[in-house]
Amino acid sequence: GENVEQHPSTLSVQEGDSAVIKCTYSDSASNYFPWYKQELGKRPQLIIDIRSNVGEKKDQRIAVTLNKTAKHFSLHITETQPEDSAVYFCAARPNQAGTALIFGKGTTLSVSS
Amino acid sequence: GAVVSQHPSWVICKSGTSVKIECRSLDFQATTMFWYRQFPKQSLMLMATSNEGSKATYEQGVEKDKFLINHASLTLSTLTVTSAHPEDSSFYICSANPKDEQYFGPGTRLTVT
Repeated sequence: GENVEQHPSTLSVQEGDSAVIKCTYSDSASNYFPWYKQELGKRPQLIIDIRSNVGEKKDQRIAVTLNKTAKHFSLHITETQPEDSAVYFCAARPNQAGTALIFGKGTTLSVSS
Repeated sequence: GAVVSQHPSWVICKSGTSVKIECRSLDFQATTMFWYRQFPKQSLMLMATSNEGSKATYEQGVEKDKFLINHASLTLSTLTVTSAHPEDSSFYICSANPKDEQYFGPGTRLTVT
């Protein structure tokens, strides 16, 4: 089955700096790669996703890149703000109906002002 | 976006008792729903895939006789934690994906005393 590795586990940056979180996946059949932000005690919130037919996607300060050959994808947050502080999870899912997302272990991002 | 609800949002029970958690898709039909468990400061771990009208598929290491799943309709899946023990205390989250994006319920905080 799919296995997703995520690094780093913790990341501390100064406000205004960029943050990068990297993930690798094992199943070449995976074709959907979302990123979630989770605040304490709440459900994960989708912040951006990318499909395997696209190499990069951007939404304001957030971007995701995908390298299918290397089986890795990354989240880039620019101009970080204190409210970006949260736990971020990457996930992957094969292109099969009724298949669940498999999550990385998460990255705790702390943005200090 | 699609809406998934969960009930209850939190529950405290005594060791040895059973607890039922409901997951509903409010504005779409879900032939498949997913149950995740999240321990403090850890990632979401897939427990099982709930299939409407048939048996659930459990992940390796998840006891099917302890975590009973019933998906009796296209909008409702239930997870029953039987003979709960303190180590079952966790955050349980259900989800469904009507299309690519996977929508999560708000989660149920279970505390077993």
